[in-house]
Amino acid sequence: DADVTQTPRNRITKTGKRIMLECSQTKGHDRMYWYRQDPGLGLRLIYYSFDVKDINKGEISDGYSVSRQAQAKFSLSLESAIPNQTALYFCATSEPLKGATQYFGPGTRLLVL
Amino acid sequence: ILNVEQSPQSLHVQEGDSTNFTCSFPSSNFYALHWYRWETAKSPEALFVMTLNGDEKKKGRISATLNTKEGYSYLYIKGSQPEDSATYLCARGGALNFGKGTSLLVTP
Repeated sequence: DADVTQTPRNRITKTGKRIMLECSQTKGHDRMYWYRQDPGLGLRLIYYSFDVKDINKGEISDGYSVSRQAQAKFSLSLESAIPNQTALYFCATSEPLKGATQYFGPGTRLLVL
Repeated sequence: ILNVEQSPQSLHVQEGDSTNFTCSFPSSNFYALHWYRWETAKSPEALFVMTLNGDEKKKGRISATLNTKEGYSYLYIKGSQPEDSATYLCARGGALNFGKGTSLLVTP
């Protein structure tokens, strides 16, 4: 079984809809991250959490919110989806060590019409 | 350098060729540099993490070096194989600041 899972794997939605992307992990890691990938732009950090009570904005947090429900779960919400949020979204986890390797989920491909 | 930059953006080599890519990054407040390998339709997977100036890491035919004083890292692939075709990402920091990647295509 995968250590980091994301649901859904693919999603099509309409402009203005609220959607949630979910991430779960069985690695026991404290730190969790959400990235988006756009062609030609690499991976950009949206939000990250170093433990259940910690939430931090990343490079591109506008239009997104997150919830860290438990150590194992980190959800990303798009309150009112817009077409330029069409992207591939990755969740990742790491140990609470400086410079620790990150372990990525399989990604969620989101299309906003 | 303000951001992590990678070059070249893409590379096409023949099977058996050796190749290398560059990652440049801000040298101030440095504590880790990561290399990831990202195959199409899969998730990025960690290759190396380096923390000390002069670090060298090796995994099979792939190796990496780190110069934290001047802010660069090289990734080398010796005797490229078609299965090496992927995007190679470097990233700096804890909550990682990624470069845009180098896309490698190895043809038989």
